[in-house]
Amino acid sequence: AQSVTQLGSHVSVSEGALVLLRCNYSSSVPPYLFWYVQYPNQGLQLLLKYTTGATLVKGINGFEAEFKKSETSFHLTKPSAHMSDAAEYFCAVSEFIIQGAQKLVFGQGTRLTINP
Amino acid sequence: DAGVTQSPTHLIKTRGQQVTLRCSPKSGHDTVSWYQQALGQGPQFIFQYYEEEERQRGNFPDRFSGHQFPNYSSELNVNALLLGDSALYLCASSFGDRDYQPQHFGDGTRLSIL
Repeated sequence: AQSVTQLGSHVSVSEGALVLLRCNYSSSVPPYLFWYVQYPNQGLQLLLKYTTGATLVKGINGFEAEFKKSETSFHLTKPSAHMSDAAEYFCAVSEFIIQGAQKLVFGQGTRLTINP
Repeated sequence: DAGVTQSPTHLIKTRGQQVTLRCSPKSGHDTVSWYQQALGQGPQFIFQYYEEEERQRGNFPDRFSGHQFPNYSSELNVNALLLGDSALYLCASSFGDRDYQPQHFGDGTRLSIL
């Protein structure tokens, strides 16, 4: 079964600094990988996804992630943090149920705090 | 374009009661998945419905059951509520036969058990 490990339950950076949120996955097949963001009292919003093709994936709000098969990693980055980036971030991997059906396996989440 | 909608937004129940949560998928989606998110944790898969049938179930007891209607909307039912059932319940929708498409989530129902 697939699994996801997010290193660091809480990350704090200064406004304008680089954001790096770490995600490692375990999968027996080529994975589909996702990053979701959750703002307080809201559901999950998709930031970006990797399915096939280019390993550097660009998402919304200036975020990007790089799929590294050799390291089984899918770290999320943003060059310059903004106060509005403060939220909980979840990395997820698809686990296929049957053809065309998938369920998501999530990491425990990383809470990102931005210091002014 | 309406996204995934869930109702109610908040619910308070006592132990032993039963609860029904509702979800309307994003327009054009035909598959609904339910997740439980306990405080400080990532979401955990409960089950998925497609063509009005349960396609897969996660590691949840039979107290958790569901239904999908012909219009693709779905309900999650939980019987004999326990304190540990307190959580945010998230509904996600997607296309059933397109395995590269991401799931879209609603804002959830916050269930509190007293």
